[in-house]
Amino acid sequence: GAVVSQHPSWVICKSGTSVKIECRSLDFQATTMFWYRQFPKQSLMLMATSNEGSKATYEQGVEKDKFLINHASLTLSTLTVTSAHPEDSSFYICSARDPLAGFTDTQYFGPGTRLTVL
Amino acid sequence: LAKTTQPISMDSYEGQEVNITCSHNNIATNDYITWYQQFPSQGPRFIIQGYKTKVTNEVASLFIPADRKSSTLSLPRVSLSDTAVYYCLVGGNQGGKLIFGQGTELSVKP
Repeated sequence: GAVVSQHPSWVICKSGTSVKIECRSLDFQATTMFWYRQFPKQSLMLMATSNEGSKATYEQGVEKDKFLINHASLTLSTLTVTSAHPEDSSFYICSARDPLAGFTDTQYFGPGTRLTVL
Repeated sequence: LAKTTQPISMDSYEGQEVNITCSHNNIATNDYITWYQQFPSQGPRFIIQGYKTKVTNEVASLFIPADRKSSTLSLPRVSLSDTAVYYCLVGGNQGGKLIFGQGTELSVKP
C-alpha cells in the first residue's frame, strides 16, 4: 500500500525557535496533503490542506503565519512551526491523498511527529 | 461534511467478534464511509471503505444498511493487538478533506 513518511519522528526545541516537519509520499505522487494536530486523549484536528504548487488552505482558528506550509513537489510537504511556544507541543500528523487509489478520498497517514517545546 | 457519532469506548475479550456502530444521519449521496485504526503515538491506518451493502477484506467487514444512515465495523476474533482507537469518517470525492470525530477506544482483554 501507499507509504507516507515524516521526519523527524520527535523533536524538542526551546521556546521561540522554529521547527520544520517534513512529510513525504514514498511510492505515489500526492497532489494534496493534509496536516493534523492531535493532543493527548483527543481526536485528530485538521489544520490545513496543502496543494502542490499553490497556497495552503487553513482551517478556521489555525494561524497561517505561525504554521507555514509549503508543498513544493508532488512528494513533499513541509510544516514549519514558527516561534514555537509550549502550547504548540503536540503530535503532528500528515496525510496524503493518492488520486490513483481504488478508494475514493482515501488518505494515507504518516507516523506522526512529536513536538515538545520547552 | 456529515457528522458521525460513535460509542466513546468498548471492551472485549480475545477471540470475540467486535461490532462498532457509527451513526451518520446526514450522509450525502456521494459520501463514502471509511474506517481508520489508530494506535497510541502513531498515525491512523486505513481499515476499510464502503458505499453501501457489505464490504469485506482480510481484516474487517463493513455493513451498511440501505438508508446508509449508519454503518457497522465488524472485527472478527479480536486479539490484544486490536486494542486501539477506531474512527468512522464520512466524505465524498470532494478533495479529500476528512473531519475526525471522537472515535471509539476499543480495549481487548485476555
